Amino acid sequence: AQKITQTQPGMFVQEKEAVTLDCTYDTSDQSYGLFWYKQPSSGEMIFLIYQGSYDEQNATEGRYSLNFQKARKSANLVISASQLGDSAMYFCAMRVEDTGRRALTFGSGTRLQVQP
Amino acid sequence: DAEITQSPRHKITETGRQVTLACHQTWNHNNMFWYRQDLGHGLRLIHYSYGVQDTNKGEVSDGYSVSRSNTEDLPLTLESAASSQTSVYFCASSVRGEVNRNEQFFGPGTRLTVL
Repeated sequence: AQKITQTQPGMFVQEKEAVTLDCTYDTSDQSYGLFWYKQPSSGEMIFLIYQGSYDEQNATEGRYSLNFQKARKSANLVISASQLGDSAMYFCAMRVEDTGRRALTFGSGTRLQVQP
Repeated sequence: DAEITQSPRHKITETGRQVTLACHQTWNHNNMFWYRQDLGHGLRLIHYSYGVQDTNKGEVSDGYSVSRSNTEDLPLTLESAASSQTSVYFCASSVRGEVNRNEQFFGPGTRLTVL
C-alpha cells in the first residue's frame, strides 16, 4: 500500500520569501507519479505540479518547484517569492503506475499562511 | 468550456436516509473518482470508475455505491446515511491512457451533514 506523509500541519512565511512544504512517500513500486494540489479557503482543488519517478530533472511550474529526492522518498514543494494569495492548504499526492490504478493517495495536508 | 460540476453543493439529511450526490463532467474523461475530505485525513478514495459499466471500490467504500451508465456522470449514493459520513465530497476525472502527467480535475465539492 502507498502512504504519503506531510509532517507540517501548519506553516508561516513572510511575503516575498521562499517556503518549502515537506512530503515523504512510501511505496515499493518503481513507477509512480507525485502531485501537489492547492486548496484555498474557497474549497476547490487546484493542480500545481507533477513529478514522475523516472524524471531526472526536478519539475518546475512558474514559482513552484518540486525538490525530488528519490533515495529519500521525498517530494518537497518549494514556493518562491510567496504571495498573500498562496495562503491555502497544500496536499501532496501519489499515483502508482505499476498497478494501473489511476486514483491518488493523499497526505493530510499543510496549511500555509503568508504574512504581509 | 469543459468542466466538472457537483450537486447539490450543500446537503443536510437525517440518519438512515438515502442520499445521492451528483457528479457531471463535460471533458469526456473515462476515469472518474469520488473522494471524501475530513480534517486530519486529507482526501480518501471512496469509489472510482474507468469507463461505462466499470466501478471499483476504494479504501473507504463501506456504506457507499456508484453506478456508471454513461461517460459524463458518476453519482454517489449513501444507502443509509450515518453521522460518520458527514464530510466534504469531491468528484474528480482524468483522461484515459498512459499519459504521464494525467492530473485529475476536481469538482467544487459537496458539503454533506448527516444529523
